[in-house]
Formats: sequence, structure tokens, C-alpha cells
Amino acid sequence: GAVVSQHPSWVICKSGTSVKIECRSLDFQATTMFWYRQFPKQSLMLMATSNEGSKATYEQGVEKDKFLINHASLTLSTLTVTSAHPEDSSFYICSAREPTGSNQPQHFGDGTRLSIL
Amino acid sequence: QKEVEQNSGPLSVPEGAIASLNCTYSDRGSQSFFWYRQYSGKSPELIMFIYSNGDKEDGRFTAQLNKASQYVSLLIRDSQPSDSATYLCAVNNRGNFNKFYFGSGTKLNVKP
Repeated sequence: GAVVSQHPSWVICKSGTSVKIECRSLDFQATTMFWYRQFPKQSLMLMATSNEGSKATYEQGVEKDKFLINHASLTLSTLTVTSAHPEDSSFYICSAREPTGSNQPQHFGDGTRLSIL
Repeated sequence: QKEVEQNSGPLSVPEGAIASLNCTYSDRGSQSFFWYRQYSGKSPELIMFIYSNGDKEDGRFTAQLNKASQYVSLLIRDSQPSDSATYLCAVNNRGNFNKFYFGSGTKLNVKP
């Protein structure tokens, strides 16, 4: 089955640091990947759709300059949280769909727990 | 109105019982419907998906879809304590099937 790998799984860093999270589709090519954020006991919130070879599409209220997304290849998307602050602490999860057909599910990575001190 | 609505629960069932999880959606043109399970502190994992009216069975799980009523459900037979998790319903967007709308999830507790 489709496997999505996300790295790192856990990050603890000081306020002001920029943090990069990688999302890879291991056994399929993904022209589109998705980045979600989830605060404790809350539902998934879609942040942006990452498109290979073009700009990401951000959801309303998500700062483009704060959350930089790069999708340079068909198997890799990265999310960089720039100048992270404690309020950016959250669980970040990526997902990807296999490109064949409109009924394909999204497959999720294991998530990255980000803690900003 | 939210795109996808789920009762937040918790839904408590005894071990061995059938757990019934429900989901309604607002866009009548939605085509595909997905159930994910999310354990506390973990990312969602796909259980099954359905896109035709009726039932679809996979092991102890049965997804039921009624497009006329805009309703999709998940039945878990012979519930086990290990099934205790939050179950997320997702629907893909008619205009952009890449985009999924997720419900807020129903928390299921299976008591031994």
C-alpha cells in the first residue's frame, strides 16, 4: 500500500528558530501533497496544498511567509516554519494521494510534533 | 454549516458489541467518502473508503453510504478495546477531488 514518510517525528527548539519538516511518498509519485496542523483535542486543520513544480495553495488565515512550502520533486514536499514561536507548537501532519483516479484516499505521514520553547 | 458533521462523542460500547459511527455531509455532489482512525498522539490511518451507495465490508468494518440522505456510517463488529480511538469521516470536494473535508471526529471507547 501507499506509504508516506515524514521526518522528523519530534522537534524541540528555541523561539526564533526555523524548522524544516520533510514529507516523502515512498512507493508512488505524488503531484499533490497536503499539510495539516492539529492542536491537542482539536480536529485536523488543512494549512496548504503543495503542488509539484508550482506554488502551494494556502488556506485562508495561513501565513504564506510563515509556513514556506516547497514541492520540488514528485516524491518530496517540505514545510518550513520560519522564526517559530511558542504559538506555533503543534502536531504537523502531511498527506499524499496516489494520482490515479478521483477516488484515491489520502495517506498520512506519522506527523511531526513541534515544541517551541 | 460545516461540510462534514460528526458527533464528537464519546461513544462507549462494551467489548464484543457493534459500534456505529455516523457522519453527514453537506455537498450533494461529493463523490468519495473515507473513514480514518486516529489514536491519541498519532496521525490518522485509513480504514476504508466507499463511493457507491450501499454497504462495503472489510473484515470487522462495514461502511454504509446513502447519497440521497447525505449520510455515511461505519460499523465496527466485535469491538475490541484496541478499537478505542477517534474516527474521522472525510469527504472529497466535488470541484477539486484532491481536497478533502474532514469531520471533527467521534471518540470511541470500547470497555473491556
